[in-house]
Amino acid sequence: EDQVTQSPEALRLQEGESSSLNCSYTVSGLRGLFWYRQDPGKGPEFLFTLYSAGEEKEKERLKATLTKKESFLHITAPKPEDSATYLCAMPQGGSEKLVFGKGTKLTVNP
Amino acid sequence: NAGVTQTPKFRILKIGQSMTLQCTQDMNHNYMYWYRQDPGMGLKLIYYSVGAGITDKGEVPNGYNVSRSTTEDFPLRLELAAPSQTSVYFCASSKGQGPYEQYFGPGTRLTVT
Repeated sequence: EDQVTQSPEALRLQEGESSSLNCSYTVSGLRGLFWYRQDPGKGPEFLFTLYSAGEEKEKERLKATLTKKESFLHITAPKPEDSATYLCAMPQGGSEKLVFGKGTKLTVNP
Repeated sequence: NAGVTQTPKFRILKIGQSMTLQCTQDMNHNYMYWYRQDPGMGLKLIYYSVGAGITDKGEVPNGYNVSRSTTEDFPLRLELAAPSQTSVYFCASSKGQGPYEQYFGPGTRLTVT
């Protein structure tokens, strides 16, 4: 069964304290991995797509990386406005349906 | 360009009532999706559509129905609402066979009492 597992479930950081979020998967056939940010009471907002192992994408303080078994979302010198739940998702099998992880809730304290 | 819009934002239903959640996208995307999100459970796919007139079940379709008569609209129908359908519902769309990223609407928070 295709699965996407995110860790940790919750992470508290001080402003400026860098860290990483993990997304591991057991989906057969890597066809892409998506990262989303979700603020309370809002829909997920697309951040990155990674298509192949070794690929990296960056946006402001966020950098996403991908290996054959997992993806990391690195947050460098985070600010309070980076507080959100971060979701990763992968296509299921050969379909367009996405399997989502349960997310990591990030809190950045000033 | 509004993206994906959903109405209503909030709704309270009594057990056994019915309602339709509306979803519209203005990006000319072929693919559209309905998800529900429960606390601590992640997003679960209810139904999806690959184009007008074509729909298929997702992971949790029971108690729901959909139709897709136009590219822009993908309404979700709840018949005989049950407390287990209390959730936040998100509609999303994507360009098509890719895979491509999905773009989400703001959600509808539904409570069934």
